[in-house]
Amino acid sequence: TQLLEQSPQFLSIQEGENLTVYCNSSSVFSSLQWYRQEPGEGPVLLVTVVTGGEVKKLKRLTFQFGDARKDSSLHITAAQPGDTGLYLCARTGGTYKYIFGTGTRLKVLA
Amino acid sequence: DSGVTQTPKHLITATGQRVTLRCSPRSGDLSVYWYQQSLDQGLQFLIQYYNGEERAKGNILERFSAQQFPDLHSELNLSSLELGDSALYFCASSVGLAGVDGELFFGEGSRLTVL
Repeated sequence: TQLLEQSPQFLSIQEGENLTVYCNSSSVFSSLQWYRQEPGEGPVLLVTVVTGGEVKKLKRLTFQFGDARKDSSLHITAAQPGDTGLYLCARTGGTYKYIFGTGTRLKVLA
Repeated sequence: DSGVTQTPKHLITATGQRVTLRCSPRSGDLSVYWYQQSLDQGLQFLIQYYNGEERAKGNILERFSAQQFPDLHSELNLSSLELGDSALYFCASSVGLAGVDGELFFGEGSRLTVL
């Protein structure tokens, strides 16, 4: 059962454009993480958000946790080819396990 | 380099066969997680071990089993393989149990192809 829905599923944009991807759930998160997976590699943690309404910035990436802690967004400003990859949100489940979303596959064209 | 080592990196086998995937976690990490990633899919949680004991189970098939040994390395055993088992299998480790801000460190994955 997939508890986290991500949208869009695929995104192809030109270098320099802005984009936003979303992670949604019907239940409340205690915390949420965003990972990026590049081709041929395992996912790598980008950020953890814990507090409702929290905003975190990582260079050109802005992460927001919804006020009700049931959704999150990732905004990339002036995307670059190096941003290409699979973006995954994840939450800790009720019994220790990490549950991952369906993923957004981003391709940034030079 | 995440510090998590998975072997083999690639494996090609036939339907009905049995394979074992191996994972060595980062030094000091007690938790090991196994995930399956099919083509263009997210990560499906299979199973988690903590310090040798099974702690959480996902949608792991009965044909699959895993264990974590006293030296903390883990093995995922896949038997009676079917074409649909072809996927990337990732191992991840963390220091403790999944906490509010715990980070998962992933290996590079084992790509299994069943012909």
